[in-house]
Amino acid sequence: DARVTQTPRDKVTEMGQEVTMRCQPILGHNTVFWYRQTMKQGLELLAYFRNRAPLDDSGMPKDRFSAEMPDATLATLKIQPSEPRDSAVYFCASGLGLAGNRDTQYFGPGTRLTVL
Amino acid sequence: AQKVTQAQTEISVVEKEDVTLDCVYETRDTTYYLFWYKQPPSGELVFLIRRNSFDEQNEISGRYSWNFQKSTSSFNFTITASQVVDSAVYFCALRNLGGGADGLTFGKGTHLIIQP
Repeated sequence: DARVTQTPRDKVTEMGQEVTMRCQPILGHNTVFWYRQTMKQGLELLAYFRNRAPLDDSGMPKDRFSAEMPDATLATLKIQPSEPRDSAVYFCASGLGLAGNRDTQYFGPGTRLTVL
Repeated sequence: AQKVTQAQTEISVVEKEDVTLDCVYETRDTTYYLFWYKQPPSGELVFLIRRNSFDEQNEISGRYSWNFQKSTSSFNFTITASQVVDSAVYFCALRNLGGGADGLTFGKGTHLIIQP
């Protein structure tokens, strides 16, 4: 049963600390998405990769957030320095990257981040 | 710009009742995809269905059915004979064909409570 995995599942940190979230996409999927879920904004897209190349990070605060794919099996989302307003659940999703966006995005379990 | 509206913030029904969750979308594209995801109390996002804009046939999967009406830009979800395990937040989402907008645009979700 192929699934997207995310670590850590929960993270509590203090303001100003660096936070790194990791995602392992489903084997064979070449597109990876990062979403953030908050009560106020709901689910919003932060960044998007295809074949490890960043295609869209317009939803991400550039000054403190960075997203990378060091290899095809690992995507990372880093926040430095973290702020209380970054508290949210961060979801990673992966897809086959079919032409015309015909594929479905499958989501990981999320990382619940709390910044004190 | 595209938008998904789920006007029902919360619905509470008694087990075995039928319930319909509404979803209305806005997009300028003629080709697009619509999705429903389920978020149970455990927090993960579970894919339920994908429908493309050219296929207006209703779909049934067990107790779940979906009604897509392009004329009213709606993609409603009905659960027949609801069960307590159906309690969750349900999200409707839209994805365009491409052109840079490759992420999902989510509605705010409908919290469905099934009472025993």
